[in-house]
Amino acid sequence: QSVLTQPPSASGTPGQRVTISCSGGSPNIGINPVNWYQHLPGAAPKVLIYSDNQRPSGVPDRFSGSKSGTSASLAISGLQSEDEADYYCAVWDDGLNGWVFGGGTKVTVL
Amino acid sequence: EVQLVESGGGLVKPGGSLRLSCAGSGFTFSSYTLNWVRQAPGKGLEWVSSISSTSDYIYYSDSLKGRFTISRDNAENSLYLQMNSLTADDTAVYYCAREDCFVRGCSSHLAWFDPWGQGTLVTVSS
Repeated sequence: QSVLTQPPSASGTPGQRVTISCSGGSPNIGINPVNWYQHLPGAAPKVLIYSDNQRPSGVPDRFSGSKSGTSASLAISGLQSEDEADYYCAVWDDGLNGWVFGGGTKVTVL
Repeated sequence: EVQLVESGGGLVKPGGSLRLSCAGSGFTFSSYTLNWVRQAPGKGLEWVSSISSTSDYIYYSDSLKGRFTISRDNAENSLYLQMNSLTADDTAVYYCAREDCFVRGCSSHLAWFDPWGQGTLVTVSS
């Protein structure tokens, strides 16, 4: 099992808002910034949100990140069909001296 | 264009070895920490190892049990992963990823992975 806990799936209809949670602990999310990655089948993973809530250039502002305590969240507002993908949270773990990923959340657009 | 391209994947028998390579271009290769991340079939992303710009700091996932060795050749703009004593559990797509940060040379805990390579498939089977 992963150090970070994500729901395995999430879904919504076009235009809806979907939120994905990422739960960790004091050595990781509690003290270090969280990053989110989008992984489309057959493609390289891509950074979606870095440093808790920063969006790289080119990422639509429909995507937003937040963090509170030892949990983080990724929100997708105005869901679109091209948002169907796997989403992963990741953070450096000071106790393990390494990166840890969540188990991933598959987002389906109904 | 900043790019990472992996190579060296293939079919290997259990107990065998394989060396993966990752070629970087479009950026100052020697200034960045690099990582290997893998994804087994039907599973999520799993971090494997990281190496700092000058190879001073190297970290591995505890799950590897000392079987993998990460290295780099900054003169050749190349990252490597030597994998020994392979088992079926090592079957995965292996990605290399660069750590990016607000300032050059910042510590990993402040960084993120960007970009990632397209990955190379390693299959361990008899």
